[in-house]
Amino acid sequence: GDSVTQMEGPVTLSEEAFLTINCTYTATGYPSLFWYVQYPGEGLQLLLKATKADDKGSNKGFEATYRKETTSFHLEKGSVQVSDSAVYFCALSPFFTGGGNKLTFGTGTQLKVEL
Amino acid sequence: NAGVTQTPKFQVLKTGQSMTLQCAQDMNHEYMSWYRQDPGMGLRLIHYSVGAGITDQGEVPNGYNVSRSTTEDFPLRLLSAAPSQTSVYFCASGDREGRGNTIYFGEGSWLTVV
Repeated sequence: GDSVTQMEGPVTLSEEAFLTINCTYTATGYPSLFWYVQYPGEGLQLLLKATKADDKGSNKGFEATYRKETTSFHLEKGSVQVSDSAVYFCALSPFFTGGGNKLTFGTGTQLKVEL
Repeated sequence: NAGVTQTPKFQVLKTGQSMTLQCAQDMNHEYMSWYRQDPGMGLRLIHYSVGAGITDQGEVPNGYNVSRSTTEDFPLRLLSAAPSQTSVYFCASGDREGRGNTIYFGEGSWLTVV
């Protein structure tokens, strides 16, 4: 079945540092890929997404590129802020009709940004 | 903008009790689902619905019941609570099925079974 593997946390960075959170996936065909963010005590919010190979999703300074050859969707940000402290989830939804909106999640990576 | 609304936010149950987690969305979404979030395991799909009157099982359906009598509401019932059901539950909704659709999540319901 489908699966998502992301780097374990917690990740602690200083403000303005560069961020990379690795995410790789196993799935049939061409799934859609997502990054969701969960701030403390809140639900998940979509951060960015990509639906086909070589697509780049971007939002709020975060970027991720859909790499079919390496089955990866790594999250990057050039300069993190304290307000970026949260848990980040990589997820996929299936390619096939009928798979629709069902999401398979990674285990989440906690990011803490310090001054 | 209410979006996806879940109640209650916190609940403590005794083993064997039953309860219903409520979920409502005001975006006229056809698709609704329930996930549970456990430490080190990400979110796992419990049940989902692609429209009123249609429900199906996800990855971890045992011990849970759902129904979808209206487009707006998708309650999750715990029939006989067990400590293994201690978790954070998220309701989610999305537009009709399609590639890359954005799924919107509620704020979560923290459930403890003692």
